[in-house]
Amino acid sequence: TQLLEQSPQFLSIQEGENLTVYCNSSSVFSSLQWYRQEPGEGPVLLVTVVTGGEVKKLKRLTFQFGDARKDSSLHITAAQPGDTGLYLCAGFNAGKSTFGDGTTLTVKP
Amino acid sequence: DAGVIQSPRHEVTEMGQEVTLRCKPISGHDYLFWYRQTMMRGLELLIYFNNNVPIDDSGMPEDRFSAKMPNASFSTLKIQPSEPRDSAVYFCASSNPAELDQPQHFGDGTRLSIL
Repeated sequence: TQLLEQSPQFLSIQEGENLTVYCNSSSVFSSLQWYRQEPGEGPVLLVTVVTGGEVKKLKRLTFQFGDARKDSSLHITAAQPGDTGLYLCAGFNAGKSTFGDGTTLTVKP
Repeated sequence: DAGVIQSPRHEVTEMGQEVTLRCKPISGHDYLFWYRQTMMRGLELLIYFNNNVPIDDSGMPEDRFSAKMPNASFSTLKIQPSEPRDSAVYFCASSNPAELDQPQHFGDGTRLSIL
């Protein structure tokens, strides 16, 4: 069984602060995806990282894939209330994704 | 383009009743996934199909759960008989291996409450 652990589980910060969310596993994945989910909706893909050590930036969001392709991090700079949501990482192998338990982020104005 | 369409959006029924959840994937997507999401267990993969064929149903909790995909544009997840512990949000997702990064496109889910 491939398990993904995310930390922290909950995070509440003020607007303008920086934060990092972690996603760790003992399994190697061919790629790792980050999704964001808002209440009443399904998860929406933010980014996919494929190469060990890869760094991708999406505006104020920076995603990194570990060298061994077992872990990943999501860093948000100058968080805004619109960043509030559930962030899910998912390890991808052979057509199937395994999801972590998610990090619930609340950004207060 | 229409995304993944799930129905109903909400379902409230009494335990013991049969429940059928429906999903229309994005046209042209070869893969279809059924997930269940709860606060306690997070997002769990129940079963997935490739070209209408079930590939992995190891996540289906028990024999009360069954899923079918009679054609490329329709899938059902059935629970019979339903129990209160089945209460959750059920998501359907589809993907296309030819799409860069093969993202899963999720529907808005069915919120199921078993009384």
